[in-house]
Amino acid sequence: DAGITQSPRHKVTETGTPVTLRCHQTENHRYMYWYRQDPGHGLRLIHYSYGVKDTDKGEVSDGYSVSRSKTEDFLLTLESATSSQTSVYFCAISESALPDSQETQYFGPGTRLLVL
Amino acid sequence: GENVEQHPSTLSVQEGDSAVIKCTYSDSASNYFPWYKQELGKGPQLIIDIRSNVGEKKDQRIAVTLNKTAKHFSLHITETQPEDSAVYFCAAILYSGGGADGLTFGKGTHLIIQP
Repeated sequence: DAGITQSPRHKVTETGTPVTLRCHQTENHRYMYWYRQDPGHGLRLIHYSYGVKDTDKGEVSDGYSVSRSKTEDFLLTLESATSSQTSVYFCAISESALPDSQETQYFGPGTRLLVL
Repeated sequence: GENVEQHPSTLSVQEGDSAVIKCTYSDSASNYFPWYKQELGKGPQLIIDIRSNVGEKKDQRIAVTLNKTAKHFSLHITETQPEDSAVYFCAAILYSGGGADGLTFGKGTHLIIQP
């Protein structure tokens, strides 16, 4: 998984509680992304980061916030979890220093979140 | 924004036969088209990609073709094997070099290789 770890790998929580998912990379890639995967929807972008403290919204950002205080870590926070946020969450990284591969995105193993 | 349509949603082929998965995209400016394979319980793994300045790319049993005029691209797998069974996703993006938005994905194709 290209030096990407996600934690936790599985989580069960209750509606209304805050949840933070962590993505950690050892590749020193500039860009990091959070996607969610749901049946019938494929993968959809939640937020992304183009550097430390630089983030932007994706297609399905409502109800989520992110932070990136170090190059290697990208956190996704659900301020008040809802059942509609039950999903599998994937982190991805891109922009290596290799030519002709800067746009290639590599994915982590995923976090399975269940909101009851 | 970009929209990517992927067909079929399920594809069953006999082992040894070829499989073809097709995608269309809406934004004519998109210039990078990766394909990912996802096995159960794992993250998507890049298997091949193509850029808009190339019409075809091949890597052993896997090939991708791109038709910019028609805005569609296809994944071809020849001599299919049981380990090819997985869900395959196509994606598209406009990469400008100075930054990158996220990929827009198709909804996936479940490829089943029948023994």
